[in-house]
Amino acid sequence: DAGITQSPRHKVTETGTPVTLRCHQTENHRYMYWYRQDPGHGLRLIHYSYGVKDTDKGEVSDGYSVSRSKTEDFLLTLESATSSQTSVYFCAISDPPETTNEKLFFGSGTQLSVL
Amino acid sequence: GENVEQHPSTLSVQEGDSAVIKCTYSDSASNYFPWYKQELGKGPQLIIDIRSNVGEKKDQRIAVTLNKTAKHFSLHITETQPEDSAVYFCAAKSSGYSTLTFGKGTMLLVSP
Repeated sequence: DAGITQSPRHKVTETGTPVTLRCHQTENHRYMYWYRQDPGHGLRLIHYSYGVKDTDKGEVSDGYSVSRSKTEDFLLTLESATSSQTSVYFCAISDPPETTNEKLFFGSGTQLSVL
Repeated sequence: GENVEQHPSTLSVQEGDSAVIKCTYSDSASNYFPWYKQELGKGPQLIIDIRSNVGEKKDQRIAVTLNKTAKHFSLHITETQPEDSAVYFCAAKSSGYSTLTFGKGTMLLVSP
């Protein structure tokens, strides 16, 4: 999947616990994204990053935080997981939109279950 | 912000038939319209895209058409095969935004 590794691939956790998902890329793309996929909702953007330490919110950012200390790593943290955050989480990378090479490359996803 | 509606949510066809998936968008400033295919257990993968200065684009058995006036675009798959079975997502992006807005997806089932 275009040099994108998501970890873990599967996780089961309890309500109220913190959870961190990791996305690692080897493609040196400047833009990185976190999406969640739920039945009936498609793909919804949580947060994205346009450079090291540069991040912005997506449409469903409440309850999530992100960090990007290196070009290759983008972390998604659920500070206190809730059952509504049970979902499949996808990381994606792309070149900057202004390059007109806006193709998104997706990772294989992380299945998160919050019990 | 942008809003993308996608129909139908499920589509069943016989092998060899054509399949059409339709999307509408709300922001007249949107200028980039990609389509992604997601196979079971995998991440979405771009299959074709079109920009607002083009009305139609083809790549072998797949084609995308864009009607800017009506603000809708469609994916056409001809001579469908069982391996075309997947979830398909349309998306749109405005020149004023950095991110894509996705439709809710269409599950395409191609029966042998």
